[in-house]
Amino acid sequence: NAGVTQTPKFRILKIGQSMTLQCTQDMNHNYMYWYRQDPGMGLKLIYYSVGAGITDKGEVPNGYNVSRSTTEDFPLRLELAAPSQTSVYFCASSENTRQAFFGQGTRLTVV
Amino acid sequence: KNEVEQSPQNLTAQEGEFITINCSYSVGISALHWLQQHPGGGIVSLFMLSSGKKKHGRLIATINIQEKHSSLHITASHPRDSAVYICAVSERQGAQKLVFGQGTRLTINP
Repeated sequence: NAGVTQTPKFRILKIGQSMTLQCTQDMNHNYMYWYRQDPGMGLKLIYYSVGAGITDKGEVPNGYNVSRSTTEDFPLRLELAAPSQTSVYFCASSENTRQAFFGQGTRLTVV
Repeated sequence: KNEVEQSPQNLTAQEGEFITINCSYSVGISALHWLQQHPGGGIVSLFMLSSGKKKHGRLIATINIQEKHSSLHITASHPRDSAVYICAVSERQGAQKLVFGQGTRLTINP
């Protein structure tokens, strides 16, 4: 019973590098989300998806891209990493009005 | 002003004490969520409620829609309850995007 799986758990990037944070859920949820958590701040929504092929921007989308080719997967792409993207990233999924399930998080440091 | 405000930001108590964490919000919501985050760990959903009260073990969550306020109570607190507790609200319409409070860091000393 995996739930929401994120990889990697930790990553250090150099400024200007790119990477993809992976997120997979096995609950057949239509809704998936990417959040970032900065120290002392509440989680902020980066992007979300209401189903395969449909994505939309959240509150802080700049510097990120997403795709949703399948129901299960919702990868988050950082194209040109910047120090401001140092954060903990959480992927989550839900089924419409039901509770959300979160991954374990990815701690990203950009140096 | 944040849309979701929690108080207190930090709370330290002795084992066995009754704990209350408060959450106020300023937007129309379809549901309010209480989440728990252990140090270095992921986030776990504790409750999702849109009215009244829910109980799970020693945890109780209440919501007052008219006053736009919710509380999370922990009875007979234990050191393993030490965590960050996060209040979040779902927008009234759309994709159930969550808007989060800053979290309350709870430490229970033995």
